[in-house]
Amino acid sequence: DTEVTQTPKHLVMGMTNKKSLKCEQHMGHRAMYWYKQKAKKPPELMFVYSYEKLSINESVPSRFSPECPNSSLLNLHLHALQPEDSALYLCASSQEGRGTEAFFGQGTRLTVV
Amino acid sequence: GENVEQHPSTLSVQEGDSAVIKCTYSDSASNYFPWYKQELGKRPQLIIDIRSNVGEKKDQRIAVTLNKTAKHFSLHITETQPEDSAVYFCAASSPFTGTALIFGKGTTLSVSS
Repeated sequence: DTEVTQTPKHLVMGMTNKKSLKCEQHMGHRAMYWYKQKAKKPPELMFVYSYEKLSINESVPSRFSPECPNSSLLNLHLHALQPEDSALYLCASSQEGRGTEAFFGQGTRLTVV
Repeated sequence: GENVEQHPSTLSVQEGDSAVIKCTYSDSASNYFPWYKQELGKRPQLIIDIRSNVGEKKDQRIAVTLNKTAKHFSLHITETQPEDSAVYFCAASSPFTGTALIFGKGTTLSVSS
């Protein structure tokens, strides 16, 4: 299984809502990532988890809260988002250690209204 | 931290022509350089990668070259086909980001028949 699965595929939420994005992989990867991608832009790194511990937070606003419950799951909790947070949110995973392929999920298309 | 520059931002070629996309990186400690292809509405997919101990790698119509001294790497696609039309991203992995990738801004390749 070389899949990274993200749910939901699409999400529309109001600025006062709380929602969560989910990501799952069963490749035994110990590094997992959240990226944000706006239209016609590259994926922008948000968070890195290594062995279920947050290792990098790229100065992301606190309205985004990541969580790694176990080595296969990664969540992104959303609260009080702004319309400019509308984007494609991509989860990825890789083996620990530099120089290894990152596998991307299909993304969650988030619209904040 | 790492900074990846990518050129050109758009590239139009005729079917059968070659296409070349170039990237430069800033961190001399970066050691892994993948190329991803992203079709509209889909996830980024790895098409080829190269590590810093190798100067060139080829896979059928696709090749990547790396010049560590100049800190640049290039993607070469020969005998282009309409299905090669997509956005191509180069990326680099540096010690600042652990195993995470930092992406260039992308190149939109259009292959006309």
